[in-house]
Amino acid sequence: DGGITQSPKYLFRKEGQNVTLSCEQNLNHDAMYWYRQDPGQGLRLIYYSQIVNDFQKGDIAEGYSVSREKKESFPLTVTSAQKNPTAFYLCATTDYDFNQPQHFGDGTRLSIL
Amino acid sequence: AQSVTQLGSHVSVSEGALVLLRCNYSSSVPPYLFWYVQYPNQGLQLLLKYTSAATLVKGINGFEAEFKKSETSFHLTKPSAHMSDAAEYFCAVTRSGAGSYQLTFGKGTKLSVIP
Repeated sequence: DGGITQSPKYLFRKEGQNVTLSCEQNLNHDAMYWYRQDPGQGLRLIYYSQIVNDFQKGDIAEGYSVSREKKESFPLTVTSAQKNPTAFYLCATTDYDFNQPQHFGDGTRLSIL
Repeated sequence: AQSVTQLGSHVSVSEGALVLLRCNYSSSVPPYLFWYVQYPNQGLQLLLKYTSAATLVKGINGFEAEFKKSETSFHLTKPSAHMSDAAEYFCAVTRSGAGSYQLTFGKGTKLSVIP
């Protein structure tokens, strides 16, 4: 079954801790994206990657880091520098084509202990 | 820069009534536009997309949207609301630049359906 798998579904972070959110896809899409969703704010772009070993900052990259070592995987680390990490995080992928829609995973909800 | 405005953060309709969710965009180039739906604690699911082939776009679940360049609008409609339509809806426009393909999203409209 083709799709995007985000794990875990729920995650809790302690003060000063880094946590990593997983995003795996088997759609063979080139581009992958991470968004943060807060109530009433829509989706805001954190990072995106168009090709393996390359990624770009989005609108709200501070306090986050990513890697793209494999086409299938695009993990997001929420570092201790991100002072307000409580949010719903969504991973998306798309074919490398301007008019193709993005496909989304089911999200990870991150909360602070 | 491309942007999207969704009018009304919350819309309530009666079951069987017309659904109208408004989206206006700002784009310096011909846009590609999308509507997504999100159910609680889930990701976004594509409802429909406009890519300049036709101004009236039909999507899944009986939804459709009309692209009106003169009004810079892409409103989403459904003739008869069903309880299962209760969800949050997002309009998005493709953002261009440096060969990258990004989306700019509106802030969303939460649709409630009253029995």
